Amino acid sequence: DSGVTQTPKHLITATGQRVTLRCSPRSGDLSVYWYQQSLDQGLQFLIQYYNGEERAKGNILERFSAQQFPDLHSELNLSSLELGDSALYFCASSAKGRGSTDTQYFGPGTRLTVL
Amino acid sequence: TQLLEQSPQFLSIQEGENLTVYCNSSSVFSSLQWYRQEPGEGPVLLVTVVTGGEVKKLKRLTFQFGDARKDSSLHITAAQPGDTGLYLCAGVEWGGGADGLTFGKGTHLIIQP
Repeated sequence: DSGVTQTPKHLITATGQRVTLRCSPRSGDLSVYWYQQSLDQGLQFLIQYYNGEERAKGNILERFSAQQFPDLHSELNLSSLELGDSALYFCASSAKGRGSTDTQYFGPGTRLTVL
Repeated sequence: TQLLEQSPQFLSIQEGENLTVYCNSSSVFSSLQWYRQEPGEGPVLLVTVVTGGEVKKLKRLTFQFGDARKDSSLHITAAQPGDTGLYLCAGVEWGGGADGLTFGKGTHLIIQP
């Protein structure tokens, strides 16, 4: 158990819909990262927050957005969903938010299926 | 083009054999990390290598970071069925703006009893 929690574990929805994925970081960690894992692309970094502020952006689509709240939990919002958005979405947290040396602890993921 | 190329993509060997998995890039990395992921779970960090030429050992696993900080290898000695999983290398590109990890596509390893 990494100490990172994600809800829901599974999500099935239809094209065009909007969903929200939730992540609670490990106690004391200030930084949250979101990743998408698909069979063809592998694990791709989406976005990083540190203490409530956006710190870095990766391959995140404009239809996707995220935020980190004062209690440090984070939400990833996916809108106008397409079939290709079906994937595993992972949240990770780290203490200081320095990706090169800071250990990132991954949650169990949310499996999104878009029908 | 994948920034981190892992090989082989799939590997199935018998218990007791040795194996090496490679992670290569044309870019320089501040550090490289190796993760192991099991079905239905998130990746779990095995090791971080930071210095060019660095070698780290974790029981039967040996990790090496290339001198030029562009590649890494994972060697498993006397593989056991419990080593089965997806092995991922990941890193932060030197001078890159993002602190998010860049992952390779992974090596699917199956150790048969």
